[in-house]
Amino acid sequence: GIQVEQSPPDLILQEGANSTLRCNFSDSVNNLQWFHQNPWGQLINLFYIPSGTKQNGRLSATTVATERYSLLYISSSQTTDSGVYFCAVERLSEKLVFGKGTKLTVNP
Amino acid sequence: GAGVSQSPSNKVTEKGKDVELRCDPISGHTALYWYRQSLGQGLEFLIYFQGNSAPDKSGLPSDRFSAERTGGSVSTLTIQRTQQEDSAVYLCASSWYGQGAVEQYFGPGTRLTVT
Repeated sequence: GIQVEQSPPDLILQEGANSTLRCNFSDSVNNLQWFHQNPWGQLINLFYIPSGTKQNGRLSATTVATERYSLLYISSSQTTDSGVYFCAVERLSEKLVFGKGTKLTVNP
Repeated sequence: GAGVSQSPSNKVTEKGKDVELRCDPISGHTALYWYRQSLGQGLEFLIYFQGNSAPDKSGLPSDRFSAERTGGSVSTLTIQRTQQEDSAVYLCASSWYGQGAVEQYFGPGTRLTVT
C-alpha cells in the first residue's frame, strides 16, 4: 500500500518562529489532508489539498502531486500551535493513510 | 449536529468484556469511517460505510471487531472479548460522497482502556 513519511518527527520552536513540515508519499493520490491533533486528541482539519497551494491565516500548505510531497508552513508560531501535525493521503480506496506525525512544541 | 460526535469519551473495561462505541456523523454526510489510534500502530483505518453499499471491512484487525450503521446515520463499533491490545483511541469520521476523494471530518474519539 501507499507509504506516508513525515519529517521532522519532532520540532521545538520559540514563539514567533516559522517552520516547515514535510510529507512525502509513495504513489499518486486523490486526497491529501493536513490535521492538527490538539492536546485533547481532537483531529482538526487544516487543509484539504491534493494539489496546489492554500493559505489560512498563519498557515499555508503546498502539494506538488507530480513530485509526491506536501509542505505545511507555520508562520509566527504561537504556543497554541503545539500538538501533533498529521498528513494523510487517500488513493482510490476512500481510506486515509496517515503518516506518523510531527510533534511540534512552541515555547513561550 | 455541527460536527461528528462520539460516545462515550472514555471507556474502561475488563479484559474479556464486550464494548460498544457510538458515532453520530455530520448531518447529511453519507460516508462514515472508523479509525484507531494506538501507540504502536499510529492511526489506522478500520471500516468504511457508504450509503447502502456493503461496508469495506478490510481494516478490522480480527473477527472480534464488528460495526453496523443503522438508517444510514449512526454507527456502532462493537469489540467482543476485549484484549489489552485493543486499548486505543477509536476515531470516527464522516464525509460527503462524490466523484473522487472528499474531505473527511473527525470526531473527538473514544479512549478505550482494557484492564
